[in-house]
Amino acid sequence: GESVGLHLPTLSVQEGDNSIINCAYSNSASDYFIWYKQESGKGPQFIIDIRSNMDKRQGQRVTVLLNKTVKHLSLQIAATQPGDSAVYFCADRANTGNQFYFGTGTSLTVIP
Amino acid sequence: ETGVTQSPTHLIKTRGQQVTLRCSSQSGHNTVSWYQQALGQGPQFIFQYYREEENGRGNFPPRFSGLQFPNYSSELNVNALELDDSALYLCASSPHTDTQYFGPGTRLTVL
Repeated sequence: GESVGLHLPTLSVQEGDNSIINCAYSNSASDYFIWYKQESGKGPQFIIDIRSNMDKRQGQRVTVLLNKTVKHLSLQIAATQPGDSAVYFCADRANTGNQFYFGTGTSLTVIP
Repeated sequence: ETGVTQSPTHLIKTRGQQVTLRCSSQSGHNTVSWYQQALGQGPQFIFQYYREEENGRGNFPPRFSGLQFPNYSSELNVNALELDDSALYLCASSPHTDTQYFGPGTRLTVL
């Protein structure tokens, strides 16, 4: 089956530093990727997406990098703030279907 | 705010019972997906509905069923509840098979 995994289950950063969250996926047919942020007791919140015809996409304080050669995805958060503390999930979808596969998540803690 | 709402927020049932969870999607979003999220895990795809028809299903037994209505609302029904069905149930709506926007979820506890 599909395997989407995160390299580190927890990450602690100082407020103001940059954060990098990594994700590996296994399906070479995946063509669409989304990063979600989930705070305690809430549903996942869309952060940024990227399609397989791109290798980088930037949003407000966030950048997603896609390396299809090694099937790796990363989320970079600039100037991390306490409000960024949450669990972050990557999700991918194969071009042959409509199902998103989620990894187990990385818990980000921002230290004031 | 995603414009996706779910009810109820929390629910407690006993093993063997049946449950119906509800979701109201964003207007114009004709695709709704349901996910199960166990504690400490990522969401697992249950199924998707597009224009009131099932449009894909994950590895869940037939006792998990759904409905989608023309007014952008949908239901997840689970029969013969088992202890392992305790989880956060999430619905996500999208304009067809594109970015999915999640609701806040329903926390189901099966005793």
